[in-house]
Amino acid sequence: SAVISQKPSRDICQRGTSLTIQCQVDSQVTMMFWYRQQPGQSLTLIATANQGSEATYESGFVIDKFPISRPNLTFSTLTVSNMSPEDSSIYLCSVLGTSTYEQYFGPGTRLTVT
Amino acid sequence: RKEVEQDPGPFNVPEGATVAFNCTYSNSASQSFFWYRQDCRKEPKLLMSVYSSGNEDGRFTAQLNRASQYISLLIRDSKLSDSATYLCVVNGRPGGSYIPTFGRGTSLIVHP
Repeated sequence: SAVISQKPSRDICQRGTSLTIQCQVDSQVTMMFWYRQQPGQSLTLIATANQGSEATYESGFVIDKFPISRPNLTFSTLTVSNMSPEDSSIYLCSVLGTSTYEQYFGPGTRLTVT
Repeated sequence: RKEVEQDPGPFNVPEGATVAFNCTYSNSASQSFFWYRQDCRKEPKLLMSVYSSGNEDGRFTAQLNRASQYISLLIRDSKLSDSATYLCVVNGRPGGSYIPTFGRGTSLIVHP
């Protein structure tokens, strides 16, 4: 298994500003994912972040709005840029197990945009 | 058709009941299947993997039916603490990637 931490755990931000969320894993992993989960909804994949390559974004998500960094095998950041109230959500990072492809999730970052 | 479909529920059952959830998937080439549990305001946590031969973990039994493209989760002797949302996850997209796809989850409420 993997232990994942995220910072910040929550934040309240003003519209038009940006927030960078950090995800730290206790072991080296190849594949990391960033998800968004809005109240009462399931998880929506934003992008896949592999070390050494550009992040791959899902339909409806673009790099200008959600730039991602993946400088090494244990760390990644997601920035939510030029925020609007519609960006209010929980943002979760996760990693993929190497042998059986199960996922481990960070505790999430609860973002409120006012 | 959505890639992974679940009945959102809620399933409202008394303690001690047996309850079953199904999840259908559209990609016949999918390779890995899982059930996750998500408590309110918490991150999802792996409940169990689903193997072709079916597998059991205590009160929980998971089964895979590749022909009909669905997986199931059976919970016996429900406890109050089983109340949560149960997410079905299927790995593998057309083209061969291992990107996981989540169902929207099935809500379970176990009452006294």
